[in-house]
Amino acid sequence: DGGITQSPKYLFRKEGQNVTLSCEQNLNHDAMYWYRQDPGQGLRLIYYSQIVNDFQKGDIAEGYSVSREKKESFPLTVTSAQKNPTAFYLCASSLGDPYNEQFFGPGTRLTVL
Amino acid sequence: AQSVTQLGSHVSVSEGALVLLRCNYSSSVPPYLFWYVQYPNQGLQLLLKYTTGATLVKGINGFEAEFKKSETSFHLTKPSAHMSDAAEYFCAVTRSGAGSYQLTFGKGTKLSVIP
Repeated sequence: DGGITQSPKYLFRKEGQNVTLSCEQNLNHDAMYWYRQDPGQGLRLIYYSQIVNDFQKGDIAEGYSVSREKKESFPLTVTSAQKNPTAFYLCASSLGDPYNEQFFGPGTRLTVL
Repeated sequence: AQSVTQLGSHVSVSEGALVLLRCNYSSSVPPYLFWYVQYPNQGLQLLLKYTTGATLVKGINGFEAEFKKSETSFHLTKPSAHMSDAAEYFCAVTRSGAGSYQLTFGKGTKLSVIP
């Protein structure tokens, strides 16, 4: 079955610790995206990548970092510089054209204690 | 810049009643428009999309949406609500930047279905 996997489903971390969220896709999609979702805020774009070894900042990149060393993987690191990291994080992928929909993973809920 | 406005953060309908979720967009170019559904603690699933051609688009689970350029709208409808339709719905429009394409999402509308 093709799709996007995110792990873990729930993640708890202490304040000041960096944490990495995993995102893997087997859809052979070129483009991948990370979003942050907060209640009543919709989805806000953190980072995106159109091809391997290249990525761009989205609307709320401060306090986050990514890498794209393989086509199928796009991990997100939430650093200690992120002021309010507790949120639901969603990874998505697409073929990259403007009329192609994005396919979403199940999400990771991060809680910083 | 492209933007999306969803009117009503929360909509309640009775089971069997018409569902109408409103979406207005702003775009300087012909838009590509999407509706997604999200069930609690899950990812988003595509309901339908408008790219070109027919302005009335049919999607999954009996939903449809009509692209109205003159009104810059893309409202989502379903003739008869079912309990399983209770979820959050997001409208999105394609935007471009740095030679690539992203989606701008509305803030979402949470649909409750009353038995």
